[in-house]
Amino acid sequence: GAVVSQHPSWVICKSGTSVKIECRSLDFQATTMFWYRQFPKQSLMLMATSNEGSKATYEQGVEKDKFLINHASLTLSTLTVTSAHPEDSSFYICSARGNKEQSTKTQYFGPGTRLLVL
Amino acid sequence: QKEVEQDPGPLSVPEGAIVSLNCTYSNSAFQYFMWYRQYSRKGPELLMYTYSSGNKEDGRFTAQVDKSSKYISLFIRDSQPSDSATYLCAMRSSGDKLTFGTGTRLAVRP
Repeated sequence: GAVVSQHPSWVICKSGTSVKIECRSLDFQATTMFWYRQFPKQSLMLMATSNEGSKATYEQGVEKDKFLINHASLTLSTLTVTSAHPEDSSFYICSARGNKEQSTKTQYFGPGTRLLVL
Repeated sequence: QKEVEQDPGPLSVPEGAIVSLNCTYSNSAFQYFMWYRQYSRKGPELLMYTYSSGNKEDGRFTAQVDKSSKYISLFIRDSQPSDSATYLCAMRSSGDKLTFGTGTRLAVRP
């Protein structure tokens, strides 16, 4: 149980294009989803938190117009990197939490999406 | 100063050794402490979850939290080559936001 998938697993794109990454909870309803970014040899940094049907809450320093998050259903959240640039190249990981985890707030992580912007 | 400090390693041990991984933190509001295992190019997998101070054991894994010293540990007994991965500590206060360490890369030699 508690499986989270991401698609695509890796993507290469040209500078200036937009890239959409999907995060799905496969066997539970995710009331809250989180998006993280991880640079090589660095820790996971939370980018934003989204609740189903609400606008995402972005961490300080994360541009909401550049990283568009949509949490349209209880099993799907998307992150769109708009006008991507080489400095956006990173490992993007989502996590999800369902109602059962309200007390422990346990997050289940997806396998990540590696983005390379040329 | 980072909120969570973790030695990045790498840590190399022979198979069967006891491994000790540690994190220190500065935020006294942290109450919930977790250890995640992350294989190369994969997402983190939750190993241990602990609330407040104390010990928790699960198979070959033992998590310890010392809130007075702001120090947490993960012990792996009878380490196996399959334990080779990066181990991330994470912690939070009462809210949702997790703060992660940088991770310690562990290699268990056959």
